[in-house]
Amino acid sequence: AQKITQTQPGMFVQEKEAVTLDCTYDTSDQSYGLFWYKQPSSGEMIFLIYQGSYDEQNATEGRYSLNFQKARKSANLVISASQLGDSAMYFCAMRSSPSNFGNEKLTFGTGTRLTIIP
Amino acid sequence: KAGVTQTPRYLIKTRGQQVTLSCSPISGHRSVSWYQQTPGQGLQFLFEYFSETQRNKGNFPGRFSGRQFSNSRSEMNVSTLELGDSALYLCASSPGTVLTNEKLFFGSGTQLSVL
Repeated sequence: AQKITQTQPGMFVQEKEAVTLDCTYDTSDQSYGLFWYKQPSSGEMIFLIYQGSYDEQNATEGRYSLNFQKARKSANLVISASQLGDSAMYFCAMRSSPSNFGNEKLTFGTGTRLTIIP
Repeated sequence: KAGVTQTPRYLIKTRGQQVTLSCSPISGHRSVSWYQQTPGQGLQFLFEYFSETQRNKGNFPGRFSGRQFSNSRSEMNVSTLELGDSALYLCASSPGTVLTNEKLFFGSGTQLSVL
């Protein structure tokens, strides 16, 4: 079974500082994808970044980067130069390669509530 | 391009009633999946549909059902509502391939309160 663990329920970070949100995962699949989503108070889940299990380079998307350590099964999200608008819930999620056609299921962690302090 | 649209945004029901939630995916997306989000259980997968067929189902009782229409729009139905069904129900769409890097696009959800 797949499992995502996010051990930080909440974090407070000063504006303009960098922040790392932790995520560890467990799967027996060889091929899988790791995602980070942001959920502001409006409720919508916003895609931030993706890392494939076979990708050798860490993924980057603007101010977001993913620190992927496959041997440790960790996929931490790094936000550089945090902004007030970054305050939200952040979810780590995983999808594995399907045995049958159809793999839209994402397994989510419990999330980290990030608050940026002016 | 319009995003994923979920209606209604808020819903209040009483125990024992049934409810139907609607989701219109992004144009061209053939896959729709549903998630339940509660403070206690977090985000849990309900089911996914592709081309009007249910491809995958989470661990929820039979009171939770869904369907997808030929235009890819999807509905989720919960019968005999219980207090524990109070949650944010999120719908997500994707083109529907087998690629692990295919991201899901989420709607803003329907907040269901059962009294």
